Amino acid sequence: GAVVSQHPSRVICKSGTSVKIECRSLDFQATTMFWYRQFPKQSLMLMATSNEGSKATYEQGVEKDKFLINHASLTLSTLTVTSAHPEDSSFYICSAISPGTSGTSADTQYFGPGTRLTVL
Amino acid sequence: QKEVEQDPGPLSVPEGAIVSLNCTYSNSAFQYFMWYRQYSRKGPELLMYTYSSGNKEDGRFTAQVDKSSKYISLFIRDSQPSDSATYLCAMSRINSGYALNFGKGTSLLVTP
Repeated sequence: GAVVSQHPSRVICKSGTSVKIECRSLDFQATTMFWYRQFPKQSLMLMATSNEGSKATYEQGVEKDKFLINHASLTLSTLTVTSAHPEDSSFYICSAISPGTSGTSADTQYFGPGTRLTVL
Repeated sequence: QKEVEQDPGPLSVPEGAIVSLNCTYSNSAFQYFMWYRQYSRKGPELLMYTYSSGNKEDGRFTAQVDKSSKYISLFIRDSQPSDSATYLCAMSRINSGYALNFGKGTSLLVTP
């Protein structure tokens, strides 16, 4: 099946610094990628939809100036958490849509392994 | 009210038991229904998906959707310790651009 990777798998940073997380589709081209955030024992919450070559679409309540998303190629989307604070500590997961398959939303969306961010 | 409700558990069962996991939802526009398995500190892995109402079976897993009751279920037969994980239900609307609405996840422990 299609593989989505994330880097780094975990990162610890000081408050006020910026952190970049990469999401790559390894064996397919993804026109659409999603970024989710998951707090302990909570559901995955969609943060934004990233479309190649255009601006990301952010969900209500997500600060676009704080969570910068760049989808510069069909295999790479990046999420930059700017001026990180301890409350940004979370598990960030991306997913990628593989186009041109059966057309159902489920079997074409593949998730990355996640990045655990800890802000001290 | 959250759009997707799921009891977080934990649910503990002995090996070989039949496991029943459920979610309810409030948005009648949901048409695609999925179940994901998530191991600790890993991304979700798709187990089952169904479109609209009905049943779908895949090996030891059976997914059921009852749109009239806004209720979906995942059954695991002959549960194994390796099934121990968090199970997330997810749903999406037609023309939603593939965006998924997740439940909180149910933590399942299958004991040998």
